[in-house]
Amino acid sequence: DAKTTQPPSMDCAEGRAANLPCNHSTISGNEYVYWYRQIHSQGPQYIIHGLKNNETNEMASLIITEDRKSSTLILPHATLRDTAVYYCIVRAGLNTGTASKLTFGTGTRLQVTL
Amino acid sequence: DAGITQSPRYKITETGRQVTLMCHQTWSHSYMFWYRQDLGHGLRLIYYSAAADITDKGEVPDGYVVSRSKTENFPLTLESATRSQTSVYFCASSESRFGEQYFGPGTRLTVT
Repeated sequence: DAKTTQPPSMDCAEGRAANLPCNHSTISGNEYVYWYRQIHSQGPQYIIHGLKNNETNEMASLIITEDRKSSTLILPHATLRDTAVYYCIVRAGLNTGTASKLTFGTGTRLQVTL
Repeated sequence: DAGITQSPRYKITETGRQVTLMCHQTWSHSYMFWYRQDLGHGLRLIYYSAAADITDKGEVPDGYVVSRSKTENFPLTLESATRSQTSVYFCASSESRFGEQYFGPGTRLTVT
């Protein structure tokens, strides 16, 4: 699976949009970009995933560049409850013979402040 | 509404003892996973299971044993606990091979 690079930490004011970047320059054509987050002492929580088109759900938006070498997770109106470590994961897609594991890096620690 | 649960939530045991961590999910998901989380390593996959009676090794399987006789349960056993197995253990389940994984609350295990 392709490796990802994320900034170790970011701050965001409550009510503002939080934009979390991720570089995955070695991503291959059948690999998806997944985002999970982990709030302190809890299990990781799925947020969103995409292949090449931008995606949006009730939690966030995912913007993937045209060359797919980077992506941005957007939390449109961050709240204090969004303070967590955010993991960007590149994951093998269909037609692969390997197990569909998630490889977690060290992520970005997002601190939302008043 | 139970989802995925783990027990115990906290466990302290001594070196050499056998310990079993339990994982139960109510969604009838086919896939289940065990991860451990340590400072500096992120989450690492220990074992996974594609269905009842089908299990396979992950990234760090040594010292662990799993079984899956029923779809909803996926226990993880440390046959002879070592201090290096002190960690937080997370169980996860997924409806499909490439679906999103849903994680349990974790078990914090300390081996003295």
